[in-house]
Amino acid sequence: QKEVEQNSGPLSVPEGAIASLNCTYSDRGSQSFFWYRQYSGKSPELIMFIYSNGDKEDGRFTAQLNKASQYVSLLIRDSQPSDSATYLCAVRDDKIIFGKGTRLHILP
Amino acid sequence: DADVTQTPRNRITKTGKRIMLECSQTKGHDRMYWYRQDPGLGLRLIYYSFDVKDINKGEISDGYSVSRQAQAKFSLSLESAIPNQTALYFCATSGPEAGSSEQYFGPGTRLTVT
Repeated sequence: QKEVEQNSGPLSVPEGAIASLNCTYSDRGSQSFFWYRQYSGKSPELIMFIYSNGDKEDGRFTAQLNKASQYVSLLIRDSQPSDSATYLCAVRDDKIIFGKGTRLHILP
Repeated sequence: DADVTQTPRNRITKTGKRIMLECSQTKGHDRMYWYRQDPGLGLRLIYYSFDVKDINKGEISDGYSVSRQAQAKFSLSLESAIPNQTALYFCATSGPEAGSSEQYFGPGTRLTVT
């Protein structure tokens, strides 16, 4: 059974600080990695994807991938109250498998 | 107009009733998926289809069936609804396997089985 593991949280971060979200996966053959943001009652929306080892930056978001350690993370710089949501890590092999999500709460 | 639409958006039904959830997409994607989401359990894959003639079971397919009527349409049926099928259901599509191939989600259907 392929698994994607995330800490469920909630993770509380002061406004303006860096939020760090982590994810591990079990299948070494996984090729692509995604971070989705989901507001309560809404559908998930993609914020980052990465498929090469290292860092990928997009605005305030940085995704980090370490295939040797089977670890992917998401950093959110200058956290805003609007970043408060559940963040889903997803890993693609032949189909996409989602983690259960980490609830992030940005404290004003 | 939304790229992925789901109908109905909300539905309350009784135990034992048959219900169909419909999904349509205008993205031209071959791959379509049905997920359910329960608090604390994340998104769980029910069925997926990589083209019109391809249907595959996901991790929780028992009690559900699907039909891929066309490239753009993928419907999910509950033959005899039970209360533990109360959940938020999402349809999603994705492009070819190569590249980012992110999933695009519909707005969700909130189903309550009483």
